[in-house]
Amino acid sequence: DTAVSQTPKYLVTQMGNDKSIKCEQNLGHDTMYWYKQDSKKFLKIMFSYNNKELIINETVPNRFSPKSPDKAHLNLHINSLELGDSAVYFCASSQDIAGAREQYFGPGTRLTVT
Amino acid sequence: GNSVTQMEGPVTLSEEAFLTINCTYTATGYPSLFWYVQYPGEGLQLLLKATKADDKGSNKGFEATYRKETTSFHLEKGSVQVSDSAVYFCALSDHTGFQKLVFGTGTRLLVSP
Repeated sequence: DTAVSQTPKYLVTQMGNDKSIKCEQNLGHDTMYWYKQDSKKFLKIMFSYNNKELIINETVPNRFSPKSPDKAHLNLHINSLELGDSAVYFCASSQDIAGAREQYFGPGTRLTVT
Repeated sequence: GNSVTQMEGPVTLSEEAFLTINCTYTATGYPSLFWYVQYPGEGLQLLLKATKADDKGSNKGFEATYRKETTSFHLEKGSVQVSDSAVYFCALSDHTGFQKLVFGTGTRLLVSP
């Protein structure tokens, strides 16, 4: 049973297109996250939702729009894709926002913008 | 702001060698500290954590001690295996209540037989 799943695993698209990445967790967690990992493996948080409410919104271009239809899902929509958006995007979840909770990561979505 | 600094990799070791991966942090207050591991083609997994000064986190033979005086959380293992080859990330979480993890740049470990 996959705890945190993401689709698609690979996404190749052209500049200017709009694409979405979906994330689902079956752990019953309240909190979900999106991270971006660049080509040098540097990992940075983008967004976090707690009980479907946005609680972390880092300095991410507003071409990126997260949506949480329910606690188990957090999707990421990206408009007008740019070359610099190429990266691996990880979804994660944690039980809640109480101190030092473990975050469970999905397998990642490798986005390549040509 | 908060930040984490890790030693540059790759770290290349022979099986059964001793491993140290250095990690230091800058944070206001007393953050919680974590080590996550990323195996090839996979997402990150929590390896161990420590939530207060002098705490030692341990798992699968790995250990790290939260040192407030040196703001460090170095990862150690007495005898590495080929299966330990992965990228290791040090991270901190402050106590704003939002579980925001700040990661180091990651250190790749390569263990040869």
